Amino acid sequence: DAEITQSPRHKITETGRQVTLACHQTWNHNNMFWYRQDLGHGLRLIHYSYGVQDTNKGEVSDGYSVSRSNTEDLPLTLESAASSQTSVYFCASSPAGEAEAFFGQGTRLTVV
Amino acid sequence: QQQVKQSPQSLIVQKGGISIINCAYENTAFDYFPWYQQFPGKGPALLIAIRPDVSEKKEGRFTISFNKSAKQFSLHIMDSQPGDSATYFCAAVRPGGGNKLTFGTGTQLKVEL
Repeated sequence: DAEITQSPRHKITETGRQVTLACHQTWNHNNMFWYRQDLGHGLRLIHYSYGVQDTNKGEVSDGYSVSRSNTEDLPLTLESAASSQTSVYFCASSPAGEAEAFFGQGTRLTVV
Repeated sequence: QQQVKQSPQSLIVQKGGISIINCAYENTAFDYFPWYQQFPGKGPALLIAIRPDVSEKKEGRFTISFNKSAKQFSLHIMDSQPGDSATYFCAAVRPGGGNKLTFGTGTQLKVEL
């Protein structure tokens, strides 16, 4: 079955370190998204991509970057982790032109 | 600025009761309004969605009511069951917005026996 997987599921890192969260989907979806989930804020869009070599900033992109070298993967990088980036991160994908998004299981990141 | 406002933040309902979650939006360009259900430790999953050309959509025990003039929509869960205990998010998408979801802040629903 097609799916979307995130790794790691849990990560603890130190302030100032670079961290990369992986997202891999096997649906061959063009659209991929990264959201962060925080209590009281719901899910907020960090970055998104509509295809290979395409990346765009979302609502809360400062301190994050993404790259899209193939259809299946959209890794999220925290350049220099900060305590404010402690959160649960969700990757999602959707077919081109479709609004329904399919979410991964999430990565819980703690920055100490 | 929260473009989609959701209430209540938490809700406790007795088994068999009706759960009601409300959302309001500001941007009249939104044209697709999904609800997502999220269980602990899992990602959100699409539950039901509506477009503004209809006032109501029903799928099993779940109903979306949509009021375009008031810019409000709500989720009704009839005959609520303990298995419905989860966090529910409303969302909105605008045409030409690249299918980006704008989420509400979420409602934690607990259905008690």
